[in-house]
Amino acid sequence: DTGVSQDPRHKITKRGQNVTFRCDPISEHNRLYWYRQTLGQGPEFLTYFQNEAQLEKSRLLSDRFSAERPKGSFSTLEIQRTEQGDSAMYLCASSPQGISYEQYFGPGTRLTVT
Amino acid sequence: LAKTTQPISMDSYEGQEVNITCSHNNIATNDYITWYQQFPSQGPRFIIQGYKTKVTNEVASLFIPADRKSSTLSLPRVSLSDTAVYYCLVGDRDSGNTPLVFGKGTRLSVIA
Repeated sequence: DTGVSQDPRHKITKRGQNVTFRCDPISEHNRLYWYRQTLGQGPEFLTYFQNEAQLEKSRLLSDRFSAERPKGSFSTLEIQRTEQGDSAMYLCASSPQGISYEQYFGPGTRLTVT
Repeated sequence: LAKTTQPISMDSYEGQEVNITCSHNNIATNDYITWYQQFPSQGPRFIIQGYKTKVTNEVASLFIPADRKSSTLSLPRVSLSDTAVYYCLVGDRDSGNTPLVFGKGTRLSVIA
């Protein structure tokens, strides 16, 4: 399967703990995006990378959130000191450069903060 | 970015044609209209994109009138597996760096 993969698929954590999610994009795609989706809402943009450079961050991405794409391949999204409001589906997507309107999404990581 | 308005939900019986209309009164000259489909517990999937008139692929058709202030996604002969949320997005596809902006979408329920 050469689609976008995310790990883990589900994560339950206690408030105050740190969590890290991983995304592996389609190999030839140099753009990688992170979105967050809560129940009944569409995905909301968090941040995106072109190769290893983080080019844009949403205001939704508070200081507790950090994303990296160290070698321009996989990416990680870390949330420090999780809060109950962080409970959501975290989606990763990738696209070739210049074709940002057609993004390929992974299955998401569902985070539950108790 | 142009704001879009679409029905929150729709119901349809299997075998019927379903038309989902999206309003985008403030669409800009360089904006394209893109539709995504999202099944439960999955990420969204690109369905179709158009600029004007009609676009058709193996999944759906997209109708865009001359004033481009609205668009209609048409799904022919839906089946139960078409039950999903459908999102209409409007943006400048040639900017190359615009993240996707999703609304709440239209939840389509197909009934046997």
